[in-house]
Amino acid sequence: GAVVSQHPSRVICKSGTSVKIECRSLDFQATTMFWYRQFPKQSLMLMATSNEGSKATYEQGVEKDKFLINHASLTLSTLTVTSAHPEDSSFYICSAIGGRAEGNEQFFGPGTRLTVL
Amino acid sequence: LAKTTQPISMDSYEGQEVNITCSHNNIATNDYITWYQQFPSQGPRFIIQGYKTKVTNEVASLFIPADRKSSTLSLPRVSLSDTAVYYCLVGDGVTDKLIFGTGTRLQVFP
Repeated sequence: GAVVSQHPSRVICKSGTSVKIECRSLDFQATTMFWYRQFPKQSLMLMATSNEGSKATYEQGVEKDKFLINHASLTLSTLTVTSAHPEDSSFYICSAIGGRAEGNEQFFGPGTRLTVL
Repeated sequence: LAKTTQPISMDSYEGQEVNITCSHNNIATNDYITWYQQFPSQGPRFIIQGYKTKVTNEVASLFIPADRKSSTLSLPRVSLSDTAVYYCLVGDGVTDKLIFGTGTRLQVFP
């Protein structure tokens, strides 16, 4: 089946630093990748949608200059949290559409837990 | 933006059937309804997907009424390992975006 990986699985950083999270589709080409954020005991909230080779589309309330998304290839998208602050601490999850997916089935990565001190 | 709502939590015992309903009044005409399972600190895992009527696979069934404004995930004979949070994912007919439901925390007791 379609596999999506994320790296790192968890990261702890100091306030003001930038953190990059990678999302890879391992066995299929992802035409579209999504980035979600999930706070404790809450649902997943879509942050942005990215298509290979084009600019990401951000959801309302998500700062594009703070959450930089690069979708440089059909198998890799990166999310960079710039100048991270404690309120950015969250569980970040990517997903991808492509391959033999039917309907709107998304394949999710395992998530990255970011803790900003 | 209309919310896609689910019961906050449900309790069950091993071996029972569990039905979790998702209400999605503004579902997009052409979008599928997908259900996911999520364990703590993990990404969602696909369970089942359907467009209308009934879909069944090896782990669950999905019931969708004709108006498609709701859907019910049915888990037959749950076990302790089914303790997790379950989410529906549907396309919103107004914004044309895929929206996760509020999630249902299922606790299975021995």
